[in-house]
Amino acid sequence: QVQLQESGPGLVKPWETLSLTCSVSGYSFSSGYYWGWIRQPPGKGLEWIGSIYHSGTTYYNPSLKSRVTISVDTSKNQFSLKLSSVTAADTAVYYCARQKYSSGPMDVWGKGTTVTVSS
Amino acid sequence: ETVLTQSPATLSLSPGERATLSCRASQSVSSYLAWYQQKPGQAPRLLIYDASNRATGIPARFSGSGSGTDFTLTISSLETEDFAVYYCQQRSNWPPTFGQGTKLEIK
Repeated sequence: QVQLQESGPGLVKPWETLSLTCSVSGYSFSSGYYWGWIRQPPGKGLEWIGSIYHSGTTYYNPSLKSRVTISVDTSKNQFSLKLSSVTAADTAVYYCARQKYSSGPMDVWGKGTTVTVSS
Repeated sequence: ETVLTQSPATLSLSPGERATLSCRASQSVSSYLAWYQQKPGQAPRLLIYDASNRATGIPARFSGSGSGTDFTLTISSLETEDFAVYYCQQRSNWPPTFGQGTKLEIK
């Protein structure tokens, strides 16, 4: 059974870099699928951030592209998100998910981790 | 960017009733539309992909239809566990986008 688990700091200072890791169990990274990040501000809807293939090819939302880096470590079955120069608008629950294609659908999700941007 | 507009914003129904949720796209997304269910404090769950295909383990009471710009998620007979927020998501046009959600609440 495929499981995803997000990890990382729950509090980030403004203008610093948010860093999260998603650990994947029960599935071999190199077997295909894409791996994505989606976020949800408090009380609001879902926003797709970006995704990565096991080869390292990345796909980013143009609205965040200048600040986002997604990377993969196939040896650890993990992929990571870095979001630079964060502001309060980046406060959200961040989810990692498995995607059938670069743009979805997302068929397996992590439980999500709350990141608050505050000094 | 393709805007997905979901209606109604809130739908109040009773268990056993039929629910019909709508998702309209600002431009054609062909059949590349998915539906997700989200309960409070939980991650979304994939229900339907490519407009009409049920995801693994999803009960038959959930069905999807539509193509182009107009899509519908139907729940044939509501169970108490179906009351949640539902989102549509398109993967046809870049970037992928979600609708704003429809809250299905108990009447």
